[in-house]
Amino acid sequence: QQQVKQSPQSLIVQKGGIPIINCAYENTAFDYFPWYQQFPGKGPALLIAIRPDVSEKKEGRFTISFNKSAKQFSLHIMDSQPGDSATYFCAASIGSYNTDKLIFGTGTRLQVFP
Amino acid sequence: NAGVTQTPKFQVLKTGQSMTLQCAQDMNHEYMSWYRQDPGMGLRLIHYSVGAGITDQGEVPNGYNVSRSTTEDFPLRLLSAAPSQTSVYFCASRPRGVYRPGSSYEQYFGPGTRLTVT
Repeated sequence: QQQVKQSPQSLIVQKGGIPIINCAYENTAFDYFPWYQQFPGKGPALLIAIRPDVSEKKEGRFTISFNKSAKQFSLHIMDSQPGDSATYFCAASIGSYNTDKLIFGTGTRLQVFP
Repeated sequence: NAGVTQTPKFQVLKTGQSMTLQCAQDMNHEYMSWYRQDPGMGLRLIHYSVGAGITDQGEVPNGYNVSRSTTEDFPLRLLSAAPSQTSVYFCASRPRGVYRPGSSYEQYFGPGTRLTVT
């Protein structure tokens, strides 16, 4: 049973576009929601993360929007660049500061064309 | 710092063979984890450790053993490989966290081991 559902599976945008990746969860005990970026042949790397006490977090061109009542969160990439082409994973965990039980979504493969 | 290192990068096993995937980190991180990544499934947690001598099961522990005798090393053992264990395996580590609002508890991932079981 997938506890974190991610969509779409793949996404193609032109340079400068704003791809949006969505995730939904069921377990209301989740209290930490990171996004990881993975390039081919590499391990995932943390991109940005949010806690449910805020509705939005921005870091550079990357923004997480969080809707606690809908149990959904999404990643927006502003002014997307070809170098952003990668696979993006959302994740969730409970009490993340003292546990490593991250539950990942299934991933979104993003391609940004010049 | 080398970060998180994994060996080997690639491995082919026959059904029933055993092997150990190695993982080491030089950042003095207390927490270490093993994940497997399969197409369309994302990453799934196999086992994790919160310190030397302490391990626990993740989502998909069956068929895998771990031990943590030192802070630096966290090997993953396949006792009798099966084709269902064909996957890419990632090791990750991070320091123990103290809860602070807004903090990120970043896991640092290794480059992965691609395992094929025939």
